[in-house]
Parts: sequence; structure tokens; C-alpha cells
Amino acid sequence: DAKTTQPPSMDCAEGRAANLPCNHSTISGNEYVYWYRQIHSQGPQYIIHGLKNNETNEMASLIITEDRKSSTLILPHATLRDTAVYYCILLPLDSNYQLIWGAGTKLIIKP
Amino acid sequence: DAEITQSPRHKITETGRQVTLACHQTWNHNNMFWYRQDLGHGLRLIHYSYGVQDTNKGEVSDGYSVSRSNTEDLPLTLESAASSQTSVYFCASSARAISSYNEQFFGPGTRLTVL
Repeated sequence: DAKTTQPPSMDCAEGRAANLPCNHSTISGNEYVYWYRQIHSQGPQYIIHGLKNNETNEMASLIITEDRKSSTLILPHATLRDTAVYYCILLPLDSNYQLIWGAGTKLIIKP
Repeated sequence: DAEITQSPRHKITETGRQVTLACHQTWNHNNMFWYRQDLGHGLRLIHYSYGVQDTNKGEVSDGYSVSRSNTEDLPLTLESAASSQTSVYFCASSARAISSYNEQFFGPGTRLTVL
């Protein structure tokens, strides 16, 4: 079973920042937080990942709380093309690298 | 540009038939994965491979098999297709087998219907 909890759906206005929460209250010290997204009918796409520190790349920012029990993915200027299902996934350091996928959050960007 | 392709993109078959789904990547990645995705759900891992001649069972491996004879290909075989295997199948590959960087690149998917 997925060890993360995400809201099933969210809306965001085009041009605004989209903030997607993820709860992982049982996270252990050696687990990374990964985010992927899946645009309708396509294969998933990697977005970003982190362990303890906040991370930023050309697609998004990842904010992890100090106790690591939750995180937020931020899309700074959402566009219609960001409409997708967003998955928050934990990956243990000593795992066999299997991503365990939950149901994700359906993000709808509205014009 | 490097890519990962799957074929066929759509397949309709009958119960009991053997079906093979192809996955080919030109990233030269050692790690390859097969997932299935049922309507409205996340992906579930079927099989994975960390290199030539290496294969491992995932969460939902019953009824499926894979073989890895070269770096580029990981075909997925349904030995005797069942209606419960109607799903969308995704192949993925990754360069590194470490948790600190495990970006997986996904193919476009194969939609399989078993009648």
C-alpha cells in the first residue's frame, strides 16, 4: 500500500502557483520523497525529489517540512499543460528501487 | 534523441492466448520496469530488470514473465491472457539503481483488452 496521502483533486487558476500537498506521517529517515505526474493517456513523467532539504528545478519546487511528515510540490506559474495527475511517492534508500504508486492528485488548471 | 518505445500501442486478444508486449529503449539504461495501470488507479509493478539476464518479480507478477537478452529490450509476456489483465501497460527505464537519484523514463503505454 502507498504510504502517502494526497487529496484526490485540486483546481488552480492559470498563471497562479499550484501547491500540491502530500502527507507522509510514517516516513522513515532513509526515505526519499519523489514526485511524478501523468498527463492524460501518457506515461508518467519525473518532476523532482528530495530527502530533507527543499529542492528546486526548472519544473517545480519541493518543500519538505522539518519533521519530514509532509511535503508540498509547487508549480510556480501553472499553465493549462500542467493539468495532470500528480503522484507523491516514497523511495527507501535500501529498497530494490520499486516505486509504490498511490492514486495521486488530479490537478485541473482553469483558464 | 534517446527514447523508450512500446508496441503495439493497442491490442485486443482473447482469453487464453499468449501475448507479448514489446519495450525498447535507446537510453542504454541498465534498469527496466513493467507496470500496469487499471482505470483510476496508480501504477503497479509487474517485473523489473537491473541488467542483461537479470529479472525480478514485482508486486503483481502472477501470469506474466519477462526476459532480458540485451540492454535495449524487455518484452513482457502474458502466458495465458485473462480478462483481469485488461489494463494499460507501461514500460520504464532508469540509468541508476540508487534511491538518491531514481528518475524513471516511461514509454507511451500499451492498452490491452482481453475478451
